[in-house]
Amino acid sequence: EVQLVESGGGLVQPGGSLRLSCAASGFTFSSYSMNWVRQAPGKGLEWVSYISSSSSTIYYADSVKGRFTISRDNAKNSLYLQMNSLRDEDTAVYYCARLEVTLIDYWGQGTLVTVSS
Amino acid sequence: DIVMTQTPLSLSVTPGQPASISCKSSQSLLHSDGKTYLYWYLQKPGQSPQLLIYEVSSRFSGVPDRFSGSGSGTDFTLKISRVEAEDVGVYYCMQGIHLPIFTFGPGTKVDIK
Repeated sequence: EVQLVESGGGLVQPGGSLRLSCAASGFTFSSYSMNWVRQAPGKGLEWVSYISSSSSTIYYADSVKGRFTISRDNAKNSLYLQMNSLRDEDTAVYYCARLEVTLIDYWGQGTLVTVSS
Repeated sequence: DIVMTQTPLSLSVTPGQPASISCKSSQSLLHSDGKTYLYWYLQKPGQSPQLLIYEVSSRFSGVPDRFSGSGSGTDFTLKISRVEAEDVGVYYCMQGIHLPIFTFGPGTKVDIK
C-alpha cells in the first residue's frame, strides 16, 4: 500500500524558516518523481514544487521561487521542503504527492504550516 | 499562465440524480504527444484529494463507473450518473499540459440535498 506521511509543520513567525518532510513507503520511492502541493485554509489547491526521481530536475511555482527548496533522499525514502522567508500567505496544509509519469496519483494526509506573529 | 475555471462553484444534488461539472482552460490542453492532460480530483471533507479521472476520460483504479469525464481542447466535463452520499466534497479539475507544472481549477463543492 502506497503511504506518504508528512511532518514538520507548525507555527512560525513571518520571515522564519521551516523544513517539511515526507516519508514514503509501499513503493519504490527512487523510481518516482514527487511534488509538494498546498492548500490555504478554506481555499483551493496550489502546486508548489516538483523534483524528479534522481533530483536532476526541479521546478517551483513563482510564488515560492527563491524562498523554498525541494530535495529528496532516496536512501531514506524521504522528500523534503525547506521553506525560508515565510510569509502570511504561505499558511496552508502542505501535501506531498507522487507523480506516476503524467499524473499525481497518491497524496499524503498533509501537514499544517501557520505563519503568524 | 493557464487559468482554469469551473462552473458551478457549488452544487446541491438529490441522491440518485445526475450531476455535471464544467471545467474550462484558457489554452488548449492538447499536448504535442496527442494526449490531453486534464484531470479530475475529489477532496472529501477532512481528506486529501483523490484522483478520479486522468487524461480527460480515463478512470483511475477503483473509481466507480458512475464517474465519467469528457471534453477536448479547452472544454471539459465531469459527470456523475447517479450521485451517492459518499460523493460529497470538492471537485477540482487540474491541467498538466506543461508537465510537471500543474494548475488547479477553483473547485466545485458538491453536497446532498
